[in-house]
Amino acid sequence: KNQVEQSPQSLIILEGKNCTLQCNYTVSPFSNLRWYKQDTGRGPVSLTIMTFSENTKSNGRYTATLDADTKQSSLHITASQLSDSASYICVVSVYSNDYKLSFGAGTTVTVRA
Amino acid sequence: DVKVTQSSRYLVKRTGEKVFLECVQDMDHENMFWYRQDPGLGLRLIYFSYDVKMKEKGDIPEGYSVSREKKERFSLILESASTNQTSMYLCASSSTPGRARYEQYFGPGTRLTVT
Repeated sequence: KNQVEQSPQSLIILEGKNCTLQCNYTVSPFSNLRWYKQDTGRGPVSLTIMTFSENTKSNGRYTATLDADTKQSSLHITASQLSDSASYICVVSVYSNDYKLSFGAGTTVTVRA
Repeated sequence: DVKVTQSSRYLVKRTGEKVFLECVQDMDHENMFWYRQDPGLGLRLIYFSYDVKMKEKGDIPEGYSVSREKKERFSLILESASTNQTSMYLCASSSTPGRARYEQYFGPGTRLTVT
């Protein structure tokens, strides 16, 4: 069964600090991996998408990395802001079937002043 | 900007009622999806549609049906609502694979409570 595991489940950081979220997956064959940000009460919004050949992708203060050999990805948030408080979801798709996505349960990040 | 809208942000229904959740997208996307999201679980696919009047079951279709009569509109139907269908329901749309790296765009969600 294709699975996506995220850690930690939640974390609290002080404004201005950095943090890193982890994602491990067993999806095979792999097509691409996405990170989404979901604000409370809102739908997920895409941050980054990476294919097999990409090992890092940035979107402003968000940097995602991918190690397709170990099936691990991370999302690094630099100089966190209060607006970064959200759930971050790792999503993996299977090659040749981009209709079917495997979603992680998400990491809830709380940024405090 | 892609826009996916859902008919209600919050909905309260009674057990046994028939419930309709509506989703509309304005980007002429071929594919539309319905997910449910529960605490501690990832999003789970209920149904998706890759063309008008076409649909396929996702991972948890039991107790749900869908309708896609027009390209821009995808409806989720709870034939007889039950308390275990209390959840956040998210609609998404995307273009055909191969275009725009197949990004899925999500609506704001409908929080349904069945009492």
